[in-house]
Amino acid sequence: DAKTTQPPSMDCAEGRAANLPCNHSTISGNEYVYWYRQIHSQGPQYIIHGLKNNETNEMASLIITEDRKSSTLILPHATLRDTAVYYCIVRVASNTGKLIFGQGTTLQVKP
Amino acid sequence: GAVVSQHPSRVICKSGTSVKIECRSLDFQATTMFWYRQFPKQSLMLMATSNEGSKATYEQGVEKDKFLINHASLTLSTLTVTSAHPEDSSFYICSAREMGTYEQYFGPGTRLTVT
Repeated sequence: DAKTTQPPSMDCAEGRAANLPCNHSTISGNEYVYWYRQIHSQGPQYIIHGLKNNETNEMASLIITEDRKSSTLILPHATLRDTAVYYCIVRVASNTGKLIFGQGTTLQVKP
Repeated sequence: GAVVSQHPSRVICKSGTSVKIECRSLDFQATTMFWYRQFPKQSLMLMATSNEGSKATYEQGVEKDKFLINHASLTLSTLTVTSAHPEDSSFYICSAREMGTYEQYFGPGTRLTVT
């Protein structure tokens, strides 16, 4: 499984963009990058995923470098409710599709 | 949207007893469900992969005789913690993979406290 490296914590001002980096230098060609977040004492919530191209949905944007060795999750206008632990996961390329969680980044959005 | 429920949300049991946690996919079918455990201030640790109609696959270091998993239907998987001890106190989370896709949806978690 490709491993990911994320900074343990980040702060962001409310209303500003939050840019969360992730390094996955050993990613394989058929492995996707997934982002989930976990608000305290809740189950993880899916945010976005991508393979090669940049992706955008109603929650966030995902920017994947051309060599696919790193990516950035962008929350365009962070709110206090975005305070959570954000996990960058490379999905195991098998039929099981299991997700292996790393330590994630604790994002603190401040007023 | 796809919803996964867990029951109970919180449970307190005495040491030596067994407790069952249910994971249900409410509006989709799931041939595969996953069980995770999370200790305070730590990440989620995958315990096992549950496949409908077959035996679960446990991750290395997880005792299959202590954590019994049953996936009897396309919408229900259960985790039974047998002979629970205080060190089994944790937050247990399930996820369900929608049949025919790789998309996984997580349940809200079950807080187990063993006294």
